[in-house]
Amino acid sequence: DQQVKQNSPSLSVQEGRISILNCDYTNSMFDYFLWYKKYPAEGPTFLISISSIKDKNEDGRFTVFLNKSAKHLSLHIVPSQPGDSAVYFCAASAIDQGGKLIFGQGTELSVKP
Amino acid sequence: DTAVSQTPKYLVTQMGNDKSIKCEQNLGHDTMYWYKQDSKKFLKIMFSYNNKELIINETVPNRFSPKSPDKAHLNLHINSLELGDSAVYFCASSQGTGMFQPQHFGDGTRLSIL
Repeated sequence: DQQVKQNSPSLSVQEGRISILNCDYTNSMFDYFLWYKKYPAEGPTFLISISSIKDKNEDGRFTVFLNKSAKHLSLHIVPSQPGDSAVYFCAASAIDQGGKLIFGQGTELSVKP
Repeated sequence: DTAVSQTPKYLVTQMGNDKSIKCEQNLGHDTMYWYKQDSKKFLKIMFSYNNKELIINETVPNRFSPKSPDKAHLNLHINSLELGDSAVYFCASSQGTGMFQPQHFGDGTRLSIL
């Protein structure tokens, strides 16, 4: 029962262009959502988050959009840089779940020079 | 000055053995977690502890026993290892469990069962 899904296992974009990573969820009780970035042989690193009461959060080149009615969120990276090449995980949690994060299966982003 | 450190990084052992993975965080956080990343790359929570008290236990076989001697450490002991235990195990920590308390992850321990 995958409550958080990232349907694109991989994405390739050109340096300088926009990268859009998508994530869908099924549990309407989720209160907040996070994106993590992971390099090979390292642990996931927190990137950006958004509360369910917002529809957008921006931090530098990274913007997360939340569409609650569609149970969909996306991460926009603009402009994309080669150093952004990594696996991106979407995660969700409910406020009464003791910090439990439900992760998607990840999307591998490749930014080509 | 690694924030969340796990040892060992790699662990190769035989079925039936007992092994432990150690985790330490120097961030002053009060909550620690263990996640398992299986062959399909899903990261799934196993346990979490807040101030040495177990708060999440996700239907993990009782061959897995977490131990938290203090709030900076959360070790994972696994008895009678099985082939299906092969995975990457990640430790994480956070300050509390509320919203916007992102979890900080260690670099993982890759466990291979022969």
